[in-house]
Amino acid sequence: GENVEQHPSTLSVQEGDSAVIKCTYSDSASNYFPWYKQELGKRPQLIIDIRSNVGEKKDQRIAVTLNKTAKHFSLHITETQPEDSAVYFCAASIDFGNEKLTFGTGTRLTIIP
Amino acid sequence: SAVISQKPSRDICQRGTSLTIQCQVDSQVTMMFWYRQQPGQSLTLIATANQGSEATYESGFVIDKFPISRPNLTFSTLTVSNMSPEDSSIYLCSVSGNQGTEAFFGQGTRLTVV
Repeated sequence: GENVEQHPSTLSVQEGDSAVIKCTYSDSASNYFPWYKQELGKRPQLIIDIRSNVGEKKDQRIAVTLNKTAKHFSLHITETQPEDSAVYFCAASIDFGNEKLTFGTGTRLTIIP
Repeated sequence: SAVISQKPSRDICQRGTSLTIQCQVDSQVTMMFWYRQQPGQSLTLIATANQGSEATYESGFVIDKFPISRPNLTFSTLTVSNMSPEDSSIYLCSVSGNQGTEAFFGQGTRLTVV
C-alpha cells in the first residue's frame, strides 16, 4: 500500500518568513495530494490540494509543488502569520473522489512573533 | 461542502465496554471513511463504509473490534468494542462528495478508556 513520509516533524519560523514542508510517497499510482491544517482540538481542514496533471498550485500565501518523477510534493507558506501555527498533514490518494487518504506523519509549525 | 455531525464529541469509558460513534451528513455521499488519530499522531484509516455492503477494513483493523454500519447514504456508525486503554484516541469520520470533492471531516470523538 501507499506510504507517505513527511518532514520535518517540527518547524519554527519567525513571523513573516517562509515555511516549507516536504512529503514523499511510494505508490506511483497516487494522483491526488491534499494538505490539511489541524489546529489544537479541531478537525483537519483542507488548505490546498493538487492533482497529478499539474506541477504547482498557488492560493494567496500558500503553494504546493509536485514532482511526480521523484514522487515528492511540498507545501510552501509565505509571509507566515501567528495564525498559521498548527499541525499540517500531507496526504496521498490514488483516486480523487474516492477519498481513501494515506496521511503523512504531520508537521507541527510554530510561528514566532 | 458537506456538513458532518459526529457524536459524541467525547466520552470516558470503562475498559471492556463498547462505544458507538455516529456520523450524520447533510447530503447523500457514496463513500464514508473512519479514521483513528492517536494522541499526537497522524490519521490512520480504519475502514471504508459503503452503503449496502460490508465495510472494507485496512490492515490491522478487524470487524469484530470495529463493527461499522452504513444503513443509508447519509449515516454511519463505528463501534469500538471491548475497549482497552490502547483504544484511547480521536475517531473521525470523513466523507467525499459524489462529484469528486475534497474530503471533509467530522469534528471527531475523543475517547478515553480507563
